[in-house]
Amino acid sequence: DGGITQSPKYLFRKEGQNVTLSCEQNLNHDAMYWYRQDPGQGLRLIYYSQIVNDFQKGDIAEGYSVSREKKESFPLTVTSAQKNPTAFYLCASSNTRGNQPQHFGDGTRLSIL
Amino acid sequence: DQQVKQNSPSLSVQEGRISILNCDYTNSMFDYFLWYKKYPAEGPTFLISISSIKDKNEDGRFTVFLNKSAKHLSLHIVPSQPGDSAVYFCAASSGSNYQLIWGAGTKLIIKP
Repeated sequence: DGGITQSPKYLFRKEGQNVTLSCEQNLNHDAMYWYRQDPGQGLRLIYYSQIVNDFQKGDIAEGYSVSREKKESFPLTVTSAQKNPTAFYLCASSNTRGNQPQHFGDGTRLSIL
Repeated sequence: DQQVKQNSPSLSVQEGRISILNCDYTNSMFDYFLWYKKYPAEGPTFLISISSIKDKNEDGRFTVFLNKSAKHLSLHIVPSQPGDSAVYFCAASSGSNYQLIWGAGTKLIIKP
């Protein structure tokens, strides 16, 4: 059963701490994306990757980092430089041939202790 | 600069009636439009899409209409069911740019 798995579902971060959010997909999609959602707002793109070992900054990349060492995996690190990390984080993937929808995981809610 | 706008934060519709959700965009380069449905604490679920070469696309109870001259699209849900209560997002992309630009969402409430 193909899909996108995000873990953990809930995560707490202490001040000054880096945390890493996991995203794995078995849909054989080339492209993967990380979004942030804040209450009452749409999704804002943090980073995206269209191919292994390559990724680009989205609109709000400051304070975040990613890696794409495998096609199936696209972890997001929220660094201590991100001053307002409390949000709902969503990972998505898509094919890159023609117009294709993005498919999403169930998200990780990050909160500050 | 909001390129994709959903001007109604919420919409309440009687069960069995038609729900119409609206979305406006400003970028004339957008050529692919999508609607997603989202429940709280879950990821968005893809509903239906439309390419700019069409003005209508239908899938079961869901129909999307695109008016390119007005830069406006709408999602019609007929008949509305209680399970349709959710937040609906429209999104758009242009050319080979796989990035989606998202509206802020409209919360649809279906009343029994």
